[in-house]
Amino acid sequence: AQSVTQLDSHVSVSEGTPVLLRCNYSSSYSPSLFWYVQHPNKGLQLLLKYTSAATLVKGINGFEAEFKKSETSFHLTKPSAHMSDAAEYFCVVSDYTGNQFYFGTGTSLTVIP
Amino acid sequence: DSGVTQTPKHLITATGQRVTLRCSPRSGDLSVYWYQQSLDQGLQFLIQYYNGEERAKGNILERFSAQQFPDLHSELNLSSLELGDSALYFCASSEGGFTYEQYFGPGTRLTVT
Repeated sequence: AQSVTQLDSHVSVSEGTPVLLRCNYSSSYSPSLFWYVQHPNKGLQLLLKYTSAATLVKGINGFEAEFKKSETSFHLTKPSAHMSDAAEYFCVVSDYTGNQFYFGTGTSLTVIP
Repeated sequence: DSGVTQTPKHLITATGQRVTLRCSPRSGDLSVYWYQQSLDQGLQFLIQYYNGEERAKGNILERFSAQQFPDLHSELNLSSLELGDSALYFCASSEGGFTYEQYFGPGTRLTVT
């Protein structure tokens, strides 16, 4: 079965400092992995996705993630946090058919001015 | 604005009742997905339709059903409502399956009293 574990339920960073949101996945095949962001009272928005192409994936708003098969990780990073990055972030894996989606429990990012 | 619309925005109803949530996908998108977001269960995939046919099923209860109409809009029907069904219900649409970017609507907040 597929699953994702987001290792931190809450992360707090100062504006202008790096962001690291951690995600580990469990899969018996090469998965498709996604990061979505949810701002308060909004729907989700895709930040980036990995679908077995380049292992370093660049997304919107300066975010990127690196797929590391040996570590079964797909951590999300950003060099410099902005106040507008404060939101809930979800790591997601799809199954081998591409017909199921499994969400992590989410990481709430706070950016301190 | 994702281009996905959901109605109503809020719904308050009593236990045992039945409600219908409506979703209009982005123009040109053939897939519609339904998700439930609650405090205790997190984000869960419920069901996917592609061009009018059910494509994938997640953790959808038997009391819940959905359909996609010829004009591609979709409805999620929730019956015999229980207090635990109180949640935010999201609809998303995409051109194809899960590996395509999904565009999320703003959600319908259901409160069962």
